Amino acid sequence: AQSVTQLGSHVSVSEGALVLLRCNYSSSVPPYLFWYVQYPNQGLQLLLKYTSAATLVKGINGFEAEFKKSETSFHLTKPSAHMSDAAEYFCAVLPRTSGTYKYIFGTGTRLKVLA
Amino acid sequence: ETGVTQSPTHLIKTRGQQVTLRCSSQSGHNTVSWYQQALGQGPQFIFQYYREEENGRGNFPPRFSGLQFPNYSSELNVNALELDDSALYLCASSLGLGGAATEAFFGQGTRLTVV
Repeated sequence: AQSVTQLGSHVSVSEGALVLLRCNYSSSVPPYLFWYVQYPNQGLQLLLKYTSAATLVKGINGFEAEFKKSETSFHLTKPSAHMSDAAEYFCAVLPRTSGTYKYIFGTGTRLKVLA
Repeated sequence: ETGVTQSPTHLIKTRGQQVTLRCSSQSGHNTVSWYQQALGQGPQFIFQYYREEENGRGNFPPRFSGLQFPNYSSELNVNALELDDSALYLCASSLGLGGAATEAFFGQGTRLTVV
């Protein structure tokens, strides 16, 4: 079964510092990959997605992620953290072979931005 | 275009009761998926409806049931509520089952508390 691992349930960075949130997937066939953000008491908002075009994917709010097949990773980065980036971030996979459009989510990483 | 709307936003129920949660999909979308997000966890897939038929189910007992209407809105019903059913329930809508190109849009969720 496919799974998603997010290393670090909590990450703290200073405002202006690099943000790096880690995501690894397990799948024999590279799935579609997504990063979602969730603000308190909100639903999920799509940040970016990988669908087998360019391996470096740019998303909203200055975030980007790089798909590395050899490492089965899809880490999320942002060069300079802003206070408004404080939220919970979820990595998700969508198996390519499934007939059900079913996301498999990681357990999330809560990002704290320090002033 | 209207987004995904869920009602109610918050709900408190007593153990053993039944609950119905509602979701209006985004205009033009014919696929609705439901997810359960327990506190501190990533969303877990409950089931999906495509054109009024169930199209896949996650590891949830039969007391979780659903329905999709001709206008593609959907309901999630939970019978015999248990304390562990306390969670944020998310609805996601998409167009068809065509993979990552058909992005899923999430609603704000319904926070269910079982006491």
